Amino acid sequence: AQKVTQAQTEISVVEKEDVTLDCVYETRDTTYYLFWYKQPPSGELVFLIRRNSFDEQNEISGRYSWNFQKSTSSFNFTITASQVVDSAVYFCALSEAYTNAGKSTFGDGTTLTVKP
Amino acid sequence: DVKVTQSSRYLVKRTGEKVFLECVQDMDHENMFWYRQDPGLGLRLIYFSYDVKMKEKGDIPEGYSVSREKKERFSLILESASTNQTSMYLCASSSPPQGAFYGYTFGSGTRLTVV
Repeated sequence: AQKVTQAQTEISVVEKEDVTLDCVYETRDTTYYLFWYKQPPSGELVFLIRRNSFDEQNEISGRYSWNFQKSTSSFNFTITASQVVDSAVYFCALSEAYTNAGKSTFGDGTTLTVKP
Repeated sequence: DVKVTQSSRYLVKRTGEKVFLECVQDMDHENMFWYRQDPGLGLRLIYFSYDVKMKEKGDIPEGYSVSREKKERFSLILESASTNQTSMYLCASSSPPQGAFYGYTFGSGTRLTVV
């Protein structure tokens, strides 16, 4: 069975601080996908990034960066110089690659509050 | 802009009613999913479908059924609504993982209250 653990339930930072959201996953598959989604107060989950299990390169997109380490089964997400607009619930997810329609297992989410 | 549309943003129903939640996508995606979101429990998969008329149970199918008569529409049915089904319901769609798999596109959610 697949499992995603986001140990941080809530994080609160002051604007311009850096913040890292942790994600640890479990799977027996050798081929899988990892994702991060953002859910702002409006409610709609928005896709941020995906990684497949063969691509361990870290990625940077503006103030966002992701660190994927298969050795520790982690896929952590860092926001640099946080802004109030980053306040949201962030979900990490794991998808089977070729079975069950690629269904995703989600972590419980981390609520990030960025204070001005 | 590609979209997943859920018919209602907020819904209030009485215990015992039959409830239909509708979801339509315009991306020609094969796969569609229904999740419910509850505080502290994350997103839990109720049902999913990988083709017209095909459906599979997710992790918490009890008390729910689904219908997919057309590729673009996936309906979630609460046969006899109960108060423990009060929740946020999220519909999502995706292309097959064998192709370009960019994860889910989500609808904006339906917040259902059963009284």
